[in-house]
Amino acid sequence: QEHLTQSGAEVKKPGASVKVSCKASENLFTRYYFNWVRQAPGQGLEWMGWVNPNTDYTDSTQNFRGRVTMTWDTSTRTAYMELNNLRSDDTAVYYCARTLAYCTDLSCPGMDVWGQGTTVIVSS
Amino acid sequence: IVMTQSPLPLTVTPGEPASISCRASQSLLHSDGLNYLDWYLQKPGQSPQLLIYLGSRRASGVPDRFSGSGSGTDFTLKISRVEAEDVGVYYCMQALQIPRTFGQGTKVEI
Repeated sequence: QEHLTQSGAEVKKPGASVKVSCKASENLFTRYYFNWVRQAPGQGLEWMGWVNPNTDYTDSTQNFRGRVTMTWDTSTRTAYMELNNLRSDDTAVYYCARTLAYCTDLSCPGMDVWGQGTTVIVSS
Repeated sequence: IVMTQSPLPLTVTPGEPASISCRASQSLLHSDGLNYLDWYLQKPGQSPQLLIYLGSRRASGVPDRFSGSGSGTDFTLKISRVEAEDVGVYYCMQALQIPRTFGQGTKVEI
């Protein structure tokens, strides 16, 4: 079965960095965009950004620009999301999710395969 | 693009139909003729799962009691006959522009 496996929970202090990994199963087609979505406790979903595994093109929302790095490692079939200068309001579950198919411009069909989520707690 | 869902809480009866509305602050119709609107369901304690993409296309494995409709700025998710396993929070998301944006989520309870 196609799946994405994320790294384990993290506890960080304010100002620190966290790097979350998202490994694709061997049978998962990996030439579509990989997205990162987060969910603060009791809140809704927030799209953070994405990476194109073919071109390494990446983009993120204004909220995270300058603080987040999203990458794809072809050799290990793994997407990474690194968030720097952590704040308490970065406490959330972070999900990776693969886009269903190729995009037209930057418009894409749905995100069909999701990781299990990685809990990041930021606390002093 | 701001996405607005209604209702936010929804109590449903098994076997009865249910529907959720989603309105976008601008049209999600691309020049390719497709509406870039997705629906997701997040069941309690689980990751979100894709139900509908491109406004009306059911994702693989999604029961046919789920259907999506609409165009431009107004979209609807319908469940023809609710089952107990359909509880959770439903989100619409626009996939036309960057950044992607989600609706607030509709919590569906039996």
